[in-house]
Amino acid sequence: KQEVTQIPAALSVPEGENLVLNCSFTDSAIYNLQWFRQDPGKGLTSLLLIQSSQREQTSGRLNASLDKSSGRSTLYIAASQPGDSATYLCAVSTGTASKLTFGTGTRLQVTL
Amino acid sequence: GAGVSQTPSNKVTEKGKYVELRCDPISGHTALYWYRQSLGQGPEFLIYFQGTGAADDSGLPNDRFFAVRPEGSVSTLKIQRTERGDSAVYLCASSADSGGTDTQYFGPGTRLTVL
Repeated sequence: KQEVTQIPAALSVPEGENLVLNCSFTDSAIYNLQWFRQDPGKGLTSLLLIQSSQREQTSGRLNASLDKSSGRSTLYIAASQPGDSATYLCAVSTGTASKLTFGTGTRLQVTL
Repeated sequence: GAGVSQTPSNKVTEKGKYVELRCDPISGHTALYWYRQSLGQGPEFLIYFQGTGAADDSGLPNDRFFAVRPEGSVSTLKIQRTERGDSAVYLCASSADSGGTDTQYFGPGTRLTVL
């Protein structure tokens, strides 16, 4: 059974800092890995999707890497801003249904 | 374009009642997923539709839960004899296909509270 772990569970950084969120998964037979953002009381917004054959994806200040063989991914956020404050969820897609297995998230707070 | 929409946004019901939650996927998306998110947890898979058929319902917790997608577009998640433990946010997602390559786009969710 696929299990996804995210470390740390919570993180507080001052504005402007670069930061890294970590995600690990137990079964490397994945189709892809997605990073999502979730604001309180809201749904999920997809940030980046990395196919299993790719090593990284970039979007603006975000960069996600994937090491499938070791079961790890990182989300790098450059020059953090207060608007980045949210919960970040990592999910891997597996099986014929491509269903997502999620971690429990990292709650990020960027302070002024 | 329009994203995934879900109605109602909030539903409060009493233990033992029947509820229906609706999901309107992105137009043209053939794959539709239901997930359930409890407080402080990541979403958990419930059921997956490819077109009109439920291709994988392995995440449904028991036979009180049922979902349909009769015309391959709108889906309804039905919960019979609700229990307090069913309280959670129910999320719907759609993608262009199920080949594993496409992003799943999520709706805002329905917050279900069973009193």
